[in-house]
Amino acid sequence: GAVVSQHPSWVICKSGTSVKIECRSLDFQATTMFWYRQFPKQSLMLMATSNEGSKATYEQGVEKDKFLINHASLTLSTLTVTSAHPEDSSFYICSAPHQQMNTEAFFGQGTRLTVV
Amino acid sequence: GQQVMQIPQYQHVQEGEDFTTYCNSSTTLSNIQWYKQRPGGHPVFLIQLVKSGEVKKQKRLTFQFGEAKKNSSLHITATQPTDVGTYFCAGRVGLGNLIFGKGTKLSVKP
Repeated sequence: GAVVSQHPSWVICKSGTSVKIECRSLDFQATTMFWYRQFPKQSLMLMATSNEGSKATYEQGVEKDKFLINHASLTLSTLTVTSAHPEDSSFYICSAPHQQMNTEAFFGQGTRLTVV
Repeated sequence: GQQVMQIPQYQHVQEGEDFTTYCNSSTTLSNIQWYKQRPGGHPVFLIQLVKSGEVKKQKRLTFQFGEAKKNSSLHITATQPTDVGTYFCAGRVGLGNLIFGKGTKLSVKP
């Protein structure tokens, strides 16, 4: 099946620093990728839709300047958490639909971010 | 906004017992998908239902899509320890984004 690789799988950073998370589709091209945030024991909350070659679409309540998304190529989308604070600690996960929009979403392994 | 409600939030069963999780949408869905997330892992696609009244089976798992395409269920027969995890439904309205339910966390007592 299709593979989406997310890196790093976990990261610990100091408050005020920025962290970049990468999401790669390894064996298919993804013009669209989705970024989710998952709090402990809760569901996936869509943060933004990453579009190759254009600006990302952010969900209501998600700060664009805080969570920078870049979809530079058909196989790579990045999420940068800028000036991280402890409340940004969470599980971030990306997904990419394969081929058609109505098919399954392939998820990356997720990134556990801890801000100290 | 569009919501997909999923119940129950938690389910503890004895090994061998059956398990069911339900999803309801306020809006007619074009399709509904089910995912399983093992503890510490990422969601993995299980199945997609598209047709009204559709029923699909995967071994001990039975998936149903309601006639009105607003609700769905996942039923596991004779649960096993390998069934442990959180089961999410995700509905799509038209060509919109997937909207995930809150998930049902299943624990199985041997």
